[in-house]
Amino acid sequence: EAQVTQNPRYLITVTGKKLTVTCSQNMNHEYMSWYRQDPGLGLRQIYYSMNVEVTDKGDVPEGYKVSRKEKRNFPLILESPSPNQTSLYFCASRPHPGPANYGYTFGSGTRLTVV
Amino acid sequence: GESVGLHLPTLSVQEGDNSIINCAYSNSASDYFIWYKQESGKGPQFIIDIRSNMDKRQGQRVTVLLNKTVKHLSLQIAATQPGDSAVYFCAENYSGSARQLTFGSGTQLTVLP
Repeated sequence: EAQVTQNPRYLITVTGKKLTVTCSQNMNHEYMSWYRQDPGLGLRQIYYSMNVEVTDKGDVPEGYKVSRKEKRNFPLILESPSPNQTSLYFCASRPHPGPANYGYTFGSGTRLTVV
Repeated sequence: GESVGLHLPTLSVQEGDNSIINCAYSNSASDYFIWYKQESGKGPQFIIDIRSNMDKRQGQRVTVLLNKTVKHLSLQIAATQPGDSAVYFCAENYSGSARQLTFGSGTQLTVLP
């Protein structure tokens, strides 16, 4: 089944403890992206990657890192999580960075709580 | 920066009635628009899209209308069913932007029995 898989689905952590949220897609998509979703603010882009070893900041990149060493994986790293990073996170992918196809496939989400 | 917004945060309709969800966008250069449906506990799911060279597109029970003059997008759902209860997002894209989609804050659609 074509899908984007995120892990974990739920995570509670303490301030300052490094964590990684994994994202993997099995559709050979070039483009991958991370979003956070907060009440009243919709989906805001954190980082995106147009292909392997190519990453760039989205609208809210502060406090996050990403890497794209392989096409299928795009982990989100919080080096020193803070309570304001408590949110619902989504990974998404789609085939081509160009204008021909914008259909995203989203993962099921990771609910992160930082205490 | 540019933003995409929704006129109403919540919408309740009777089962069987038609639903209309509205969206205003502010970037006049946006050339592609998508509607997503998000059910509780799940990620957003693609419903229908439309390009700026069109003003209407129909899918199965859904129609998207685009009015570029007033920068307005709407999603019409025919014969609304309980399974249509979800949050609906519009998203816009400007092909000149590598950041891809900008999402609105969403409208909660509740279908009443």
